[in-house]
Amino acid sequence: AQSVAQPEDQVNVAEGNPLTVKCTYSVSGNPYLFWYVQYPNRGLQFLLKYITGDNLVKGSYGFEAEFNKSQTSFHLKKPSALVSDSALYFCAVRERSWMDSSYKLIFGSGTRLLVRP
Amino acid sequence: DSGVTQTPKHLITATGQRVTLRCSPRSGDLSVYWYQQSLDQGLQFLIQYYNGEERAKGNILERFSAQQFPDLHSELNLSSLELGDSALYFCASSSPSWDSGANVLTFGAGSRLTVL
Repeated sequence: AQSVAQPEDQVNVAEGNPLTVKCTYSVSGNPYLFWYVQYPNRGLQFLLKYITGDNLVKGSYGFEAEFNKSQTSFHLKKPSALVSDSALYFCAVRERSWMDSSYKLIFGSGTRLLVRP
Repeated sequence: DSGVTQTPKHLITATGQRVTLRCSPRSGDLSVYWYQQSLDQGLQFLIQYYNGEERAKGNILERFSAQQFPDLHSELNLSSLELGDSALYFCASSSPSWDSGANVLTFGAGSRLTVL
């Protein structure tokens, strides 16, 4: 089964500093990887995805993620954090059911990002 | 606004009761997914429907059931509620081209269920 792991429950960073939210994956075959963000009392919003191609993926709100096959990682990054980036971030992998060819997203446990002024 | 509509936003009920959560997918999306977000178990996949038919099942309890109607809206029925069922329940939808990786799951704002 596919899985992703987010080793940090919380990441603290000062505004203006670069941020990294870590994600590692375990998949068979080529991974389809995603990052979502959840603001308080809101649903999950899509940030970016990696399907194939360039290892550096750019997404919404200035976020990017680097796919590293040798380290089986897909870390989320931003060069300069904003207080408004404070939220819960989820890494996810798409899993295919070989029984019926359906797809679903398997999520990591989430990482809370706190950007202090 | 993601285009995925969930009602009600909040629901408070008692143990042993039954509730129904409703989801309207984005226009044109045929698949509906239900996820449960609880503090101790994160985001758990419950069930998926595609164009009215059940497509995949996850960690869904027997007390829970779902269906997708001809107009593509979906309902998640939770019965014999227990305290541990208190959670955020998300619905997400996707278009047919989701299978190719071209699109993503779009989530609704969720329904917060509190069981007292």
